[in-house]
Amino acid sequence: KNQVEQSPQSLIILEGKNCTLQCNYTVSPFSNLRWYKQDTGRGPVSLTIMTFSENTKSNGRYTATLDADTKQSSLHITASQLSDSASYICVVTPDAGNMLTFGGGTRLMVKP
Amino acid sequence: NAGVTQTPKFRVLKTGQSMTLLCAQDMNHEYMYWYRQDPGMGLRLIHYSVGEGTTAKGEVPDGYNVSRLKKQNFLLGLESAAPSQTSVYFCASLGADGAYEQYFGPGTRLTVT
Repeated sequence: KNQVEQSPQSLIILEGKNCTLQCNYTVSPFSNLRWYKQDTGRGPVSLTIMTFSENTKSNGRYTATLDADTKQSSLHITASQLSDSASYICVVTPDAGNMLTFGGGTRLMVKP
Repeated sequence: NAGVTQTPKFRVLKTGQSMTLLCAQDMNHEYMYWYRQDPGMGLRLIHYSVGEGTTAKGEVPDGYNVSRLKKQNFLLGLESAAPSQTSVYFCASLGADGAYEQYFGPGTRLTVT
């Protein structure tokens, strides 16, 4: 069964600090891997999308990396801001079909 | 361009009642999805559609039905609501243009008592 596991489940950091969120997946072969940000009470919003051939993708202070050999991805947040407090979700799309597999998310809280 | 919209935003049902959730997108996307999100869990796919007039079951389809009579609309129906269907429901759409960008609606919070 295709699975996407994220760690940690929750994380608290101080404003201005950096942090890295992890995503391990068993989906294979896969088409693309996405990271979403979901604010409380809102729908997920895409941060980055990487195909299997890409190693890194940046979106402002967010940088995602992908290692297709070890089936791992990470999302690095630089110089965190209070507005970064949200859940971050890793999503993998299989090579065939459009049924995305969602991780359980990492809930990040940035404190002043 | 409103993106993906969902109605209603909130709803409280009694066990056994029925209702329909509406999802609309104005991006001419081929694919549309209905997910549910329970506290502390990831989004789980209920049903999806790869085009007008077609639907398919996702991971947790039991107790739900869907219809895609028009390309821009995807309806999710609960024929006989149960407390286990208390959840937040998200609709999403995806274009078939290779951009892979999936857009989500704001969600519908449903409580079944």
